[in-house]
Amino acid sequence: NAGVTQTPKFRVLKTGQSMTLLCAQDMNHEYMYWYRQDPGMGLRLIHYSVGEGTTAKGEVPDGYNVSRLKKQNFLLGLESAAPSQTSVYFCASSYSGGSGEQFFGPGTRLTVL
Amino acid sequence: AQSVTQLGSHVSVSEGALVLLRCNYSSSVPPYLFWYVQYPNQGLQLLLKYTSAATLVKGINGFEAEFKKSETSFHLTKPSAHMSDAAEYFCAVNRRAYGGSQGNLIFGKGTKLSVKP
Repeated sequence: NAGVTQTPKFRVLKTGQSMTLLCAQDMNHEYMYWYRQDPGMGLRLIHYSVGEGTTAKGEVPDGYNVSRLKKQNFLLGLESAAPSQTSVYFCASSYSGGSGEQFFGPGTRLTVL
Repeated sequence: AQSVTQLGSHVSVSEGALVLLRCNYSSSVPPYLFWYVQYPNQGLQLLLKYTSAATLVKGINGFEAEFKKSETSFHLTKPSAHMSDAAEYFCAVNRRAYGGSQGNLIFGKGTKLSVKP
């Protein structure tokens, strides 16, 4: 099993450009999440999904959109990138029941100039 | 409001010394609690979790944590630090404890552990 994978690993954007980050999991998890990690801030939840075709806002959703067209994939979009979106982005997934343990991808390092 | 507090953003210990990383939570119901580790340029990996069974939980790499309801704490310990333990450690609680959707975790801000030779 590959677990949770993220594409791309690194990206540099100019202000105003758009891009999509792809997250894929092969564990048949119902729940998927997108976080951003900034120094001293821990992990902050951007959006999450509790099943195919459903999404919900997290703690810091502004400037991002998401889609979950297939159970195994969760896409994070930036329509018009801003320097404040420079961060490391992590995707995670979990079972719908149980303790809520989340499994994380390796991250995408995004720089917006 | 922050519901998970990690005391100390940086902790430094000597190799072979005790590691103690502190985590306190606020919850009106028994929570599920987690410790994750993040090595440089990697994702988060689960170290251990408390799910209302034994209060002393053993994890990977010799780490353990004790759930103390009276102190609302879940501190992480390791008797003898190794150079390979240098990483950032995150405490997390299941948001279910706060009336949120089951599965959402609230993370502390992390503690970076340095190990001196």
